[in-house]
Amino acid sequence: DAGITQSPRHKVTETGTPVTLRCHQTENHRYMYWYRQDPGHGLRLIHYSYGVKDTDKGEVSDGYSVSRSKTEDFLLTLESATSSQTSVYFCAIRGSGGDSNGYTFGSGTRLTVV
Amino acid sequence: AQSVTQLGSHVSVSEGALVLLRCNYSSSVPPYLFWYVQYPNQGLQLLLKYTSAATLVKGINGFEAEFKKSETSFHLTKPSAHMSDAAEYFCAVSYALNFGNEKLTFGTGTRLTIIP
Repeated sequence: DAGITQSPRHKVTETGTPVTLRCHQTENHRYMYWYRQDPGHGLRLIHYSYGVKDTDKGEVSDGYSVSRSKTEDFLLTLESATSSQTSVYFCAIRGSGGDSNGYTFGSGTRLTVV
Repeated sequence: AQSVTQLGSHVSVSEGALVLLRCNYSSSVPPYLFWYVQYPNQGLQLLLKYTSAATLVKGINGFEAEFKKSETSFHLTKPSAHMSDAAEYFCAVSYALNFGNEKLTFGTGTRLTIIP
Protein backbone atom coordinates (compact mmCIF):
# COMPACT_ATOMS: atom_id res chain seq x y z
CA ASP A 1 0.00 0.00 0.00
CA ALA A 2 1.15 3.49 -0.70
CA GLY A 3 3.00 5.06 2.19
CA ILE A 4 3.68 1.88 4.13
CA THR A 5 6.21 -0.83 3.37
CA GLN A 6 6.95 -4.07 5.19
CA SER A 7 10.18 -6.00 4.88
CA PRO A 8 10.94 -8.72 4.26
CA ARG A 9 7.84 -10.01 2.46
CA HIS A 10 8.76 -13.62 3.15
CA LYS A 11 11.14 -15.21 5.63
CA VAL A 12 11.97 -18.71 6.77
CA THR A 13 13.91 -19.00 9.98
CA GLU A 14 14.95 -21.67 12.43
CA THR A 15 13.53 -22.20 15.88
CA GLY A 16 15.45 -20.26 18.52
CA THR A 17 16.83 -17.59 16.27
CA PRO A 18 15.96 -13.89 16.63
CA VAL A 19 14.03 -12.28 13.81
CA THR A 20 13.27 -8.63 13.12
CA LEU A 21 10.51 -7.40 10.85
CA ARG A 22 10.43 -3.84 9.66
CA CYS A 23 7.56 -1.48 8.99
CA HIS A 24 8.39 1.76 7.23
CA GLN A 25 5.99 4.63 6.59
CA THR A 26 6.28 7.83 4.63
CA GLU A 27 3.05 9.41 5.93
CA ASN A 28 4.47 10.87 9.17
CA HIS A 29 1.62 9.18 11.07
CA ARG A 30 1.82 9.06 14.83
CA TYR A 31 0.26 5.64 15.43
CA MET A 32 1.66 2.33 14.26
CA TYR A 33 0.50 -1.22 14.96
CA TRP A 34 1.71 -4.78 14.52
CA TYR A 35 -0.86 -7.53 14.02
CA ARG A 36 -0.56 -11.23 13.31
CA GLN A 37 -3.07 -13.11 11.20
CA ASP A 38 -3.84 -16.75 11.77
CA PRO A 39 -6.65 -18.92 10.38
CA GLY A 40 -9.66 -18.88 12.67
CA HIS A 41 -8.34 -15.95 14.70
CA GLY A 42 -8.55 -13.01 12.35
CA LEU A 43 -5.99 -10.33 13.14
CA ARG A 44 -4.70 -9.95 16.67
CA LEU A 45 -2.76 -6.98 18.01
CA ILE A 46 0.80 -7.68 19.12
CA HIS A 47 2.15 -4.24 19.98
CA TYR A 48 1.40 -0.66 19.07
CA SER A 49 3.14 2.69 19.17
CA TYR A 50 1.74 6.14 19.85
CA GLY A 51 4.95 8.05 19.20
CA VAL A 52 8.71 7.81 19.05
CA LYS A 53 9.86 5.58 21.90
CA ASP A 54 6.23 5.21 23.07
CA THR A 55 5.00 1.65 22.73
CA ASP A 56 2.64 -0.68 24.53
CA LYS A 57 1.52 -4.29 24.48
CA GLY A 58 -1.43 -5.70 22.65
CA GLU A 59 -3.29 -8.91 23.32
CA VAL A 60 -0.65 -11.38 22.07
CA SER A 61 2.64 -9.73 22.99
CA ASP A 62 4.45 -12.65 24.67
CA GLY A 63 7.66 -13.50 22.80
CA TYR A 64 7.69 -10.21 20.89
CA SER A 65 9.32 -6.86 21.42
CA VAL A 66 9.14 -3.63 19.44
CA SER A 67 11.11 -0.47 18.98
CA ARG A 68 10.40 2.88 17.43
CA SER A 69 13.43 5.15 17.38
CA LYS A 70 12.05 7.40 14.64
CA THR A 71 8.60 8.23 13.36
CA GLU A 72 8.88 6.31 10.13
CA ASP A 73 10.09 2.94 11.40
CA PHE A 74 8.44 0.42 13.72
CA LEU A 75 10.40 -2.79 14.26
CA LEU A 76 8.98 -6.06 15.53
CA THR A 77 11.46 -8.54 17.01
CA LEU A 78 10.85 -12.18 17.79
CA GLU A 79 13.43 -12.69 20.49
CA SER A 80 13.69 -16.46 20.03
CA ALA A 81 11.43 -17.69 17.27
CA THR A 82 9.11 -20.63 17.90
CA SER A 83 6.92 -22.61 15.53
CA SER A 84 3.83 -21.01 17.08
CA GLN A 85 5.02 -17.70 15.69
CA THR A 86 4.66 -18.94 12.13
CA SER A 87 2.12 -16.45 10.84
CA VAL A 88 1.46 -13.54 8.54
CA TYR A 89 2.39 -10.25 10.17
CA PHE A 90 0.74 -6.98 9.22
CA CYS A 91 1.74 -3.47 10.08
CA ALA A 92 -0.80 -0.66 10.13
CA ILE A 93 -0.54 3.08 10.47
CA ARG A 94 -3.06 5.69 11.52
CA GLY A 95 -3.05 9.45 11.53
CA SER A 96 -4.19 11.68 14.34
CA GLY A 97 -7.38 12.85 12.69
CA GLY A 98 -10.73 12.13 14.22
CA ASP A 99 -13.39 9.48 13.50
CA SER A 100 -10.99 6.56 13.14
CA ASN A 101 -10.56 7.35 9.52
CA GLY A 102 -7.09 6.56 8.50
CA TYR A 103 -5.94 2.99 9.09
CA THR A 104 -3.66 1.80 6.30
CA PHE A 105 -2.29 -1.72 6.24
CA GLY A 106 0.93 -2.99 4.75
CA SER A 107 1.10 -5.97 2.42
CA GLY A 108 2.25 -8.33 5.15
CA THR A 109 5.26 -10.48 5.99
CA ARG A 110 4.86 -14.23 5.80
CA LEU A 111 7.10 -15.78 8.45
CA THR A 112 7.76 -19.49 8.70
CA VAL A 113 9.62 -20.89 11.70
CA VAL A 114 11.02 -24.37 11.10
CA ALA B 1 -14.22 -4.53 26.15
CA GLN B 2 -15.33 -4.11 22.58
CA SER B 3 -15.50 -7.19 20.37
CA VAL B 4 -17.08 -8.42 17.17
CA THR B 5 -18.50 -11.78 16.18
CA GLN B 6 -18.75 -12.86 12.58
CA LEU B 7 -21.31 -15.57 11.99
CA GLY B 8 -20.16 -18.09 9.41
CA SER B 9 -16.50 -18.63 8.62
CA HIS B 10 -17.41 -19.62 5.06
CA VAL B 11 -20.23 -18.31 2.88
CA SER B 12 -20.97 -19.39 -0.68
CA VAL B 13 -23.33 -17.56 -3.00
CA SER B 14 -24.11 -17.84 -6.68
CA GLU B 15 -22.98 -15.15 -9.06
CA GLY B 16 -25.72 -12.52 -9.22
CA ALA B 17 -27.22 -13.48 -5.86
CA LEU B 18 -27.41 -11.39 -2.72
CA VAL B 19 -24.35 -11.32 -0.50
CA LEU B 20 -25.00 -11.13 3.25
CA LEU B 21 -22.14 -11.33 5.72
CA ARG B 22 -23.06 -11.06 9.38
CA CYS B 23 -21.33 -9.14 12.12
CA ASN B 24 -22.48 -8.48 15.66
CA TYR B 25 -20.61 -6.21 18.01
CA SER B 26 -20.25 -5.79 21.71
CA SER B 27 -19.48 -2.32 22.91
CA SER B 28 -20.19 -0.32 26.03
CA VAL B 29 -20.03 2.96 24.13
CA PRO B 30 -21.09 3.96 20.62
CA PRO B 31 -18.57 2.16 18.45
CA TYR B 32 -16.76 2.82 15.25
CA LEU B 33 -17.30 -0.20 13.02
CA PHE B 34 -15.50 -1.29 9.90
CA TRP B 35 -15.56 -3.87 7.16
CA TYR B 36 -12.30 -4.83 5.49
CA VAL B 37 -11.66 -7.11 2.53
CA GLN B 38 -8.57 -9.20 1.94
CA TYR B 39 -7.80 -10.71 -1.44
CA PRO B 40 -5.39 -13.65 -1.59
CA ASN B 41 -1.83 -12.77 -0.61
CA GLN B 42 -2.69 -9.13 -0.07
CA GLY B 43 -3.17 -6.77 2.82
CA LEU B 44 -6.48 -5.43 4.11
CA GLN B 45 -8.50 -2.89 2.20
CA LEU B 46 -11.19 -0.76 3.80
CA LEU B 47 -14.65 -1.42 2.36
CA LEU B 48 -16.63 0.93 4.55
CA LYS B 49 -16.86 2.37 8.04
CA TYR B 50 -19.55 3.50 10.46
CA THR B 51 -18.74 6.54 12.59
CA SER B 52 -22.28 7.55 13.70
CA ALA B 53 -22.96 9.96 10.85
CA ALA B 54 -25.52 7.68 9.15
CA THR B 55 -26.80 4.22 9.95
CA LEU B 56 -26.69 3.02 6.33
CA VAL B 57 -23.15 3.15 5.10
CA LYS B 58 -22.16 2.75 1.48
CA GLY B 59 -18.74 1.50 0.59
CA ILE B 60 -16.66 0.56 -2.39
CA ASN B 61 -17.47 -2.11 -4.96
CA GLY B 62 -21.24 -1.88 -4.35
CA PHE B 63 -21.15 -3.00 -0.72
CA GLU B 64 -23.14 -1.42 2.04
CA ALA B 65 -23.79 -2.07 5.71
CA GLU B 66 -26.46 -1.00 8.13
CA PHE B 67 -25.79 -0.17 11.77
CA LYS B 68 -28.62 -1.47 13.96
CA LYS B 69 -28.15 -0.51 17.56
CA SER B 70 -31.15 -2.52 18.78
CA GLU B 71 -29.67 -5.68 17.28
CA THR B 72 -26.00 -4.73 17.89
CA SER B 73 -25.38 -5.67 14.27
CA PHE B 74 -23.45 -4.31 11.32
CA HIS B 75 -24.14 -6.77 8.50
CA LEU B 76 -22.50 -6.35 5.11
CA THR B 77 -24.59 -6.72 1.96
CA LYS B 78 -24.29 -6.51 -1.78
CA PRO B 79 -27.32 -6.96 -4.05
CA SER B 80 -25.58 -8.94 -6.78
CA ALA B 81 -22.41 -10.95 -6.30
CA HIS B 82 -19.58 -10.83 -8.82
CA MET B 83 -16.82 -13.38 -9.23
CA SER B 84 -14.35 -10.67 -8.21
CA ASP B 85 -15.99 -10.48 -4.76
CA ALA B 86 -14.40 -13.78 -3.74
CA ALA B 87 -12.18 -12.87 -0.80
CA GLU B 88 -12.03 -12.89 2.97
CA TYR B 89 -14.00 -10.25 4.82
CA PHE B 90 -13.31 -8.93 8.29
CA CYS B 91 -15.54 -6.93 10.57
CA ALA B 92 -13.75 -4.75 13.12
CA VAL B 93 -14.56 -2.40 15.97
CA SER B 94 -12.35 0.34 17.30
CA TYR B 95 -12.08 1.50 20.86
CA ALA B 96 -10.03 3.99 22.81
CA LEU B 97 -6.73 3.21 24.44
CA ASN B 98 -4.52 5.77 26.12
CA PHE B 99 -2.93 8.99 24.87
CA GLY B 100 -5.61 9.50 22.27
CA ASN B 101 -4.80 6.16 20.75
CA GLU B 102 -7.22 3.47 19.75
CA LYS B 103 -7.03 0.01 18.34
CA LEU B 104 -9.00 -2.18 15.99
CA THR B 105 -10.36 -5.48 17.22
CA PHE B 106 -11.14 -7.87 14.41
CA GLY B 107 -13.59 -10.66 13.96
CA THR B 108 -12.34 -14.04 12.83
CA GLY B 109 -13.24 -13.42 9.22
CA THR B 110 -15.67 -14.83 6.64
CA ARG B 111 -14.39 -16.38 3.44
CA LEU B 112 -16.77 -15.60 0.58
CA THR B 113 -16.89 -17.99 -2.37
CA ILE B 114 -18.80 -17.12 -5.53
CA ILE B 115 -20.32 -19.98 -7.48
CA PRO B 116 -20.41 -19.41 -11.26
